[in-house]
Amino acid sequence: AQKITQTQPGMFVQEKEAVTLDCTYDTSDPSYGLFWYKQPSSGEMIFLIYQGSYDQQNATEGRYSLNFQKARKSANLVISASQLGDSAMYFCAMRGWANFNKFYFGSGTKLNVKP
Amino acid sequence: DTEVTQTPKHLVMGMTNKKSLKCEQHMGHRAMYWYKQKAKKPPELMFVYSYEKLSINESVPSRFSPECPNSSLLNLHLHALQPEDSALYLCASSQDNPGDGAFFGQGTRLTVV
Repeated sequence: AQKITQTQPGMFVQEKEAVTLDCTYDTSDPSYGLFWYKQPSSGEMIFLIYQGSYDQQNATEGRYSLNFQKARKSANLVISASQLGDSAMYFCAMRGWANFNKFYFGSGTKLNVKP
Repeated sequence: DTEVTQTPKHLVMGMTNKKSLKCEQHMGHRAMYWYKQKAKKPPELMFVYSYEKLSINESVPSRFSPECPNSSLLNLHLHALQPEDSALYLCASSQDNPGDGAFFGQGTRLTVV
């Protein structure tokens, strides 16, 4: 079984500062992908970043980076230089080889960026 | 701009109505999904189509009926819904590869009255 855990229901960050959103996962699948999505109040789920379980380097996409620690089964999202537009829900998700048509989502973290 | 287009964006329907949600993608993805999302909750998987065939039905009530007319289109037919079915319905598509993320539409906000 696959499980994603996000332990921070809500977080605040000052504009221009960096913030880390936590994600831990559990899977018996030897190969899997980890994803982060942003969901603004408009509702659309926006794909931010992907990390493969066999990737040696942490993924980066602009101001987003994924701090992947395989032994700890964690895949934290780091947002650098926060902007007001970063205020949204953030979901961590996983997709495994065994049942690759299923995305497993965490419960989400609501990020509020303060001016 | 999203490359997955959902219509309508908002829908209000009575419990005796029949309506359909539509989803279209032109990214050549072979897997398409319907998710239901309640406020402040993660998306819940409803259906998955892979190569135009229904591959996953997460024990969804029969008042929800999916249809995949071709590889670019996905419909969700609604009939005799209940007020508790009010939610954001999200369509998504992806390649058939665990290394690829799913791309979501903007969703349809459904209210059942």
